[in-house]
Amino acid sequence: AQSVAQPEDQVNVAEGNPLTVKCTYSVSGNPYLFWYVQYPNRGLQFLLKYITGDNLVKGSYGFEAEFNKSQTSFHLKKPSALVSDSALYFCAVRDTSSNTGKLIFGQGTTLQVKP
Amino acid sequence: EPEVTQTPSHQVTQMGQEVILRCVPISNHLYFYWYRQILGQKVEFLVSFYNNEISEKSEIFDDQFSVERPDGSNFTLKIRSTKLEDSAMYFCASRGTDGTSGSDSSYNEQFFGPGTRLTVL
Repeated sequence: AQSVAQPEDQVNVAEGNPLTVKCTYSVSGNPYLFWYVQYPNRGLQFLLKYITGDNLVKGSYGFEAEFNKSQTSFHLKKPSALVSDSALYFCAVRDTSSNTGKLIFGQGTTLQVKP
Repeated sequence: EPEVTQTPSHQVTQMGQEVILRCVPISNHLYFYWYRQILGQKVEFLVSFYNNEISEKSEIFDDQFSVERPDGSNFTLKIRSTKLEDSAMYFCASRGTDGTSGSDSSYNEQFFGPGTRLTVL
């Protein structure tokens, strides 16, 4: 079955330090991978995606993610965390068994950035 | 910047009652979705809608659920007889297309609304 795993429920970092939020996936065929962020009382906001090409993709708010095919991972990174980055982050993959583009989500990781 | 909107933000209902959750997708998008998130659990797919018909539905989307695009702008999710386990956050999403017939545009990101929190008592 196709799936996405985010192994950490919560990640704590100090402001100014680099952050990593982990994601691994299991799909057949070529994955389309996405990261979304959810702030309190807001919807899911798109951050970035990997479709093909360069394994390092850059997105909104200084975030980037590295696609690693051999490790089936798509970790979200930022060189210097801000307190305002504190939110809930979701990794998602397009379900390749479907032609509707529906997404399969990980369980989410809460990022806490402390001043 | 265009956005997906949803109303109401919070709906409280009694078990067995009908609810309609409303969404206004981004105007030039052609693919529409409903997802839900039960508290503390994953965001899970409910249904996709394209060309005025359901293109896929999950096992959750049983006969109690229906979707409609009544007027070319709104996209609604109806639950006919709510159950306690329907309590969740419901997200609407829409996705654009490159406009090329037959092309796979599923690499385009989905845009999500802010969600409707449904509480069934």
